[in-house]
Amino acid sequence: DGGITQSPKYLFRKEGQNVTLSCEQNLNHDAMYWYRQDPGQGLRLIYYSQIVNDFQKGDIAEGYSVSREKKESFPLTVTSAQKNPTAFYLCASRLPGQGGNEQFFGPGTRLTVL
Amino acid sequence: AQKITQTQPGMFVQEKEAVTLDCTYDTSDPSYGLFWYKQPSSGEMIFLIYQGSYDQQNATEGRYSLNFQKARKSANLVISASQLGDSAMYFCAMREGLSIDSGYALNFGKGTSLLVTP
Repeated sequence: DGGITQSPKYLFRKEGQNVTLSCEQNLNHDAMYWYRQDPGQGLRLIYYSQIVNDFQKGDIAEGYSVSREKKESFPLTVTSAQKNPTAFYLCASRLPGQGGNEQFFGPGTRLTVL
Repeated sequence: AQKITQTQPGMFVQEKEAVTLDCTYDTSDPSYGLFWYKQPSSGEMIFLIYQGSYDQQNATEGRYSLNFQKARKSANLVISASQLGDSAMYFCAMREGLSIDSGYALNFGKGTSLLVTP
């Protein structure tokens, strides 16, 4: 079955440590996205990538980094520079082209900084 | 400025009744798209329905319909015949522009929590 996988589901990190969240898709989508969700809030865009080896900052990119070496994979690194990293992180992908194509989401990773 | 506004933090509806979830948006771009997603307690986002700014008719998908009033900049979600499984958070989102430069990224509202009671 095609879909998006994110791992791990829950992640705990000590302050000052970098951590990488995994996102893999087998939908053959070109575009991939990372969003952050805080309690009682909507999703906010961190980074997106429309093609391999290219990515763009979203609204809240500070303290995060990404790579896109393969079409299927779009890992997100939360660096120690991110001041408040505890949140729910969602990865999404999308077919290129028509504006009506929806984004498909993974199950999310809940990151807690201790 | 908030581009998507959902003014109802929480809503109750009785099973089998219809419910309307409000969404207003703000954009000066003539080309945009509006999406509704459902987020159950498990956390994953489930796509429900899409409305393009140039679409002449309101979108419908099964029990979901979108009441699109362009002049008022509103895109309310109507769920007919509510079921217990409809209890979840519902998010309205907007994609501005058709340019590939925008990345087709979405702006989300803060969501409405819907509880369906027996």
